[in-house]
Amino acid sequence: GAGVSQSPRYKVAKRGQDVALRCDPISGHVSLFWYQQALGQGPEFLTYFQNEAQLDKSGLPSDRFFAERPEGSVSTLKIQRTQQEDSAVYLCASSLDGSQTYGYTFGSGTRLTVV
Amino acid sequence: RKEVEQDPGPFNVPEGATVAFNCTYSNSASQSFFWYRQDCRKEPKLLMSVYSSGNEDGRFTAQLNRASQYISLLIRDSKLSDSATYLCVVSEWAGKSTFGDGTTLTVKP
Repeated sequence: GAGVSQSPRYKVAKRGQDVALRCDPISGHVSLFWYQQALGQGPEFLTYFQNEAQLDKSGLPSDRFFAERPEGSVSTLKIQRTQQEDSAVYLCASSLDGSQTYGYTFGSGTRLTVV
Repeated sequence: RKEVEQDPGPFNVPEGATVAFNCTYSNSASQSFFWYRQDCRKEPKLLMSVYSSGNEDGRFTAQLNRASQYISLLIRDSKLSDSATYLCVVSEWAGKSTFGDGTTLTVKP
């Protein structure tokens, strides 16, 4: 596609519910990143894939967070047993290769509200 | 202390003004540097990369001082459409990037 596509755009979850957020990167982009952005703050790194390999998951806040990219294209970020502190915008970004030469293209994000 | 720190802002300037934003970073292994722009309730968008020699894109000039671990963005002849939050971003060669919390700019008629 022409850009990075994320779905759903908005998600309201009851505390304790599991959620799955989808990211479809730009076709041919090798690298895919997930970030979490709280209100009034900059995006915080969660995890990074190069093709299907998850090379860095150091930013995942707890073992309730899990990400996958099984075929090196679409990625899913799953949050189990959601808590109120998980409320944030989840941003997916892709880049042509693993280097940071050209920066990222971000999707529009998924705004998660846990009630 | 955050890895990337930016001017707290907000900056409120009249149209036509020149405004400068500053950013410092703590990771001396950082290799790539960027400014992103984020409009309210939108995703960040790449504004420009920052090079050691300094670089310019129209009304925007970015500077990097590796010795002081300092990055700047200068906007000349501000337009109403420049109103946004400007995010300073640093990264090592590959992998994650670290974002500052942003500086909000409002340009008024």
